Amino acid sequence: DTAVSQTPKYLVTQMGNDKSIKCEQNLGHDTMYWYKQDSKKFLKIMFSYNNKELIINETVPNRFSPKSPDKAHLNLHINSLELGDSAVYFCASSLRQGAGEQFFGPGTRLTVL
Amino acid sequence: AQSVTQPDIHITVSEGASLELRCNYSYGATPYLFWYVQSPGQGLQLLLKYFSGDTLVQGIKGFEAEFKRSQSSFNLRKPSVHWSDAAEYFCAVGVAGGSYIPTFGRGTSLIVHP
Repeated sequence: DTAVSQTPKYLVTQMGNDKSIKCEQNLGHDTMYWYKQDSKKFLKIMFSYNNKELIINETVPNRFSPKSPDKAHLNLHINSLELGDSAVYFCASSLRQGAGEQFFGPGTRLTVL
Repeated sequence: AQSVTQPDIHITVSEGASLELRCNYSYGATPYLFWYVQSPGQGLQLLLKYFSGDTLVQGIKGFEAEFKRSQSSFNLRKPSVHWSDAAEYFCAVGVAGGSYIPTFGRGTSLIVHP
């Protein structure tokens, strides 16, 4: 059973398009996150949700919009994709805020042409 | 705000050799400390964590790490490396409670020679 799953695993698209990445966790965790990993493997936090409420919104272009329909799901929608958005996007969850350990999804490799 | 430094971008070891990956953190109080491993094409997996108590922490896959407050370090060690340990290793530091988000180091890439 996959604890944190993401779809799709690969996403290739043209500049200017709009795309979504979906994330689901079956761990019963309260808190979920989106990270961006660049080509040098640097992990940057983008968003964090706790019980469907946005708690962390780092400096991210407003073309990125997270949505949490329930606490098991955190989706990421990206408008007007740019070349610089190419990266691997990871979803993660933790039991609650301040709980420490995070569980990561397998990642979505986004390539913008 | 907390920060974490992994001074080594790449480390190359021979299979069977011992390994130490360095991690230094900056935080005013006792932090939460983590090591994660990322195999190629995979997500991150927790190797071990330190919250409090015994400063020598045992993790999965034969890894251990030691918290040294005086040196602000949390180095990861393994006595004998296997070829399957080749991966990217991330140290992370966090704080208790609040809108806690861990800060990750830039990662150390481990290359294992046969």
